Amino acid sequence: GAVVSQHPSWVICKSGTSVKIECRSLDFQATTMFWYRQFPKQSLMLMATSNEGSKATYEQGVEKDKFLINHASLTLSTLTVTSAHPEDSSFYICSTRDSGGATDTQYFGPGTRLTVL
Amino acid sequence: RKEVEQDPGPFNVPEGATVAFNCTYSNSASQSFFWYRQDCRKEPKLLMSVYSSGNEDGRFTAQLNRASQYISLLIRDSKLSDSATYLCVVIHSGGYNKLIFGAGTRLAVHP
Repeated sequence: GAVVSQHPSWVICKSGTSVKIECRSLDFQATTMFWYRQFPKQSLMLMATSNEGSKATYEQGVEKDKFLINHASLTLSTLTVTSAHPEDSSFYICSTRDSGGATDTQYFGPGTRLTVL
Repeated sequence: RKEVEQDPGPFNVPEGATVAFNCTYSNSASQSFFWYRQDCRKEPKLLMSVYSSGNEDGRFTAQLNRASQYISLLIRDSKLSDSATYLCVVIHSGGYNKLIFGAGTRLAVHP
């Protein structure tokens, strides 16, 4: 099946720093990528939908200036958490959809665990 | 009210037991339904799609009741390896077909 990678798998940073998370689609070209966040014992919450070559679409309540998304190529989307604070500590997961495949399935990356001190 | 609601559990069952999870969704325009499995500190993985006619995959059976907006997952002959969190997921029509996740039901299978 399709493979989606994320880097880094975990990161610990000081409050106020910015953290960039990469999401790569390895097996197919992904025109659309999704970014989710999951707090402990809670559901995955969609943060934004990232489209190659255009601006991302953010969900209600997600600050676009804080969570910068860049989808510059068909295989790479990045999420930058700017001026991270402890409340941003969470599990960030990207997913891509293989619309060119036989089924419209979403494939998830392994996630990035962010801890802000 | 959450769009997708699940009993958080945990369900603690012995090996070999049959266990059932339920899920309700609030948006009647939801068009696709899935069960995902998520292990601790890992990404969710698709377990199975859910169809109105009901579908089975080995020890797993999924049912959908559109009238009641209710989805179920039945696991027969539980294995230790079934221990995980099971996420109920729906897709609405329109837009980018966003996945809406429930918070999950935790299953612990013990010897």
